[in-house]
Amino acid sequence: LAKTTQPISMDSYEGQEVNITCSHNNIATNDYITWYQQFPSQGPRFIIQGYKTKVTNEVASLFIPADRKSSTLSLPRVSLSDTAVYYCLVGLLSGGYNKLIFGAGTRLAVHP
Amino acid sequence: NAGVTQTPKFRVLKTGQSMTLLCAQDMNHEYMYWYRQDPGMGLRLIHYSVGEGTTAKGEVPDGYNVSRLKKQNFLLGLESAAPSQTSVYFCASSPSGSETDTQYFGPGTRLTVL
Repeated sequence: LAKTTQPISMDSYEGQEVNITCSHNNIATNDYITWYQQFPSQGPRFIIQGYKTKVTNEVASLFIPADRKSSTLSLPRVSLSDTAVYYCLVGLLSGGYNKLIFGAGTRLAVHP
Repeated sequence: NAGVTQTPKFRVLKTGQSMTLLCAQDMNHEYMYWYRQDPGMGLRLIHYSVGEGTTAKGEVPDGYNVSRLKKQNFLLGLESAAPSQTSVYFCASSPSGSETDTQYFGPGTRLTVL
């Protein structure tokens, strides 16, 4: 059963860089790694996706080491509005629904 | 584009009552999903559909039924509601089940069963 492990919570301050790591030891060859963000009373929304090395978009960066057994979401210079729950998801439906296990996510609190 | 919409936004039921949650998407996506979210437990997949007329069970399907009669709609039914089904329900869709697809989520339905 595909499984990801993330820290339950993290705290940061405005302007700091935040790195959230997800462990996925049994990632399959075809699996991509996708991160979602969820604000209170809203559905999750896509942040970034990658397969290996580094991916960067206007919101975040995603670092994936060569063995792909973990990934790190990096949020540069966070603001109060980045307070949310962040989920790491490995794979999608092609491997069976067991890949659609979001887990509890990481609750990020950004303080002034 | 409205994206993914869910009806209703809130609902209170008594134990044993039935109801249907409606999910609609206007992105012509093939795949649709129903999740429930409970405090501290993330999202758990209830049922999903890989195309019009198809449905399949997810991680926690007991007590729920679904139908996908039209490509744009995915209905989640509770035949006899129980307090354990108090939760926030999210619908999502994706273009297909390919590895690079991402899911688009609706705003959620908050259901309370008394």
